[in-house]
Amino acid sequence: AQTVTQSQPEMSVQEAETVTLSCTYDTSESDYYLFWYKQPPSRQMILVIRQEAYKQQNATENRFSVNFQKAAKSFSLKISDSQLGDAAMYFCAYFPNSKLTFGKGITLSVRP
Amino acid sequence: GAVVSQHPSRVICKSGTSVKIECRSLDFQATTMFWYRQFPKQSLMLMATSNEGSKATYEQGVEKDKFLINHASLTLSTLTVTSAHPEDSSFYICSALVRDGNEKLFFGSGTQLSVL
Repeated sequence: AQTVTQSQPEMSVQEAETVTLSCTYDTSESDYYLFWYKQPPSRQMILVIRQEAYKQQNATENRFSVNFQKAAKSFSLKISDSQLGDAAMYFCAYFPNSKLTFGKGITLSVRP
Repeated sequence: GAVVSQHPSRVICKSGTSVKIECRSLDFQATTMFWYRQFPKQSLMLMATSNEGSKATYEQGVEKDKFLINHASLTLSTLTVTSAHPEDSSFYICSALVRDGNEKLFFGSGTQLSVL
């Protein structure tokens, strides 16, 4: 079975600091996509960053970057220069081109 | 990013009635859409995969006769909760798959269903 594990239910970061959210997954597929989604209190799901498994280079989107370790099946999200607006629930998701499987999510709070 | 419109955003209905939720891709064609259910402070649970022009594929444990899905066009998928009961109260979210070599999924804004 394909599973996505986010073991930390909550994290807190000081404004302007850096925080890393962890995610591991289990799969026998070789080609797939990984995503991080943000869900603020509005509950709108927002795509933060996307990684293609066949690409070794880690994806980066402005203050957001990932550390993708395919052999270890690890896909962590680093948020640099944290802002108050980053406070939300973050979901790691795995997509082998069929259906999107989410982790349980992590609630990130940002301290001013 | 691509826009997915979901309506209504909130609906309150009496027990025993049916409710229809619409999910539209506004600026792209979506051959595949997904329907999720989310309880407070929990993850999204996939209910079914909707493919244009064919029957939806339901996840294990999801009643296909209660949650009717129709994907009659490349831009519209609907979820109808039939004979709703209080335990069906939840947040329902749709997402549409963009297949352009850089596969991405975009989400609607969700529908909060409350069954009295």
